[in-house]
Amino acid sequence: GAVVSQHPSWVICKSGTSVKIECRSLDFQATTMFWYRQFPKQSLMLMATSNEGSKATYEQGVEKDKFLINHASLTLSTLTVTSAHPEDSSFYICSATLDRGYTFGSGTRLTVV
Amino acid sequence: DAKTTQPTSMDCAEGRAANLPCNHSTISGNEYVYWYRQIHSQGPQYIIHGLKNNETNEMASLIITEDRKSSTLILPHATLRDTAVYYCIVRVQWAGNMLTFGGGTRLMVKP
Repeated sequence: GAVVSQHPSWVICKSGTSVKIECRSLDFQATTMFWYRQFPKQSLMLMATSNEGSKATYEQGVEKDKFLINHASLTLSTLTVTSAHPEDSSFYICSATLDRGYTFGSGTRLTVV
Repeated sequence: DAKTTQPTSMDCAEGRAANLPCNHSTISGNEYVYWYRQIHSQGPQYIIHGLKNNETNEMASLIITEDRKSSTLILPHATLRDTAVYYCIVRVQWAGNMLTFGGGTRLMVKP
């Protein structure tokens, strides 16, 4: 079946640094990818919709200058958390659409210290 | 997308059937019922979906009431690996936009 590969699985970074999370679609092309964030014991919340070759669409309350999304190819979308703060610590998940369905990456647990 | 209501948590004994309910009283005629689950620290996984007929696959069965206002996901023989949060989502089959997740049901399968 369709697989979305997300890396890294977990990352620890210092406050003020930037972290890049990659999401790759394997064996299929993903025109659209979605980025979610999930805090402990809460549900997934959509952060942004990423479309290949165009600017991402951010949900209300999500800072586009802090969470940089790049979708330069049909198989790769990246999320960069810039100037990370401890409150950015969360579980980040990407999702791609394929054949009228959705497939999800395995998630990235970000801890900012 | 129609709103759904699920119990916050449920327990199930290993080897027994797990029946997870979902209420969706405002569902529209063209909206499907989807079920996903999320095992701890992993991305969501598709389980099953249906419109009005009952559906079964290798993972689960989906029972939708005749008035379509509620449904039940059935895991016939729950294992410890089925411990997860189960999300019931109601939406048109293909809208091209994101999936919206509610609170889900935290299923704990106990030995």
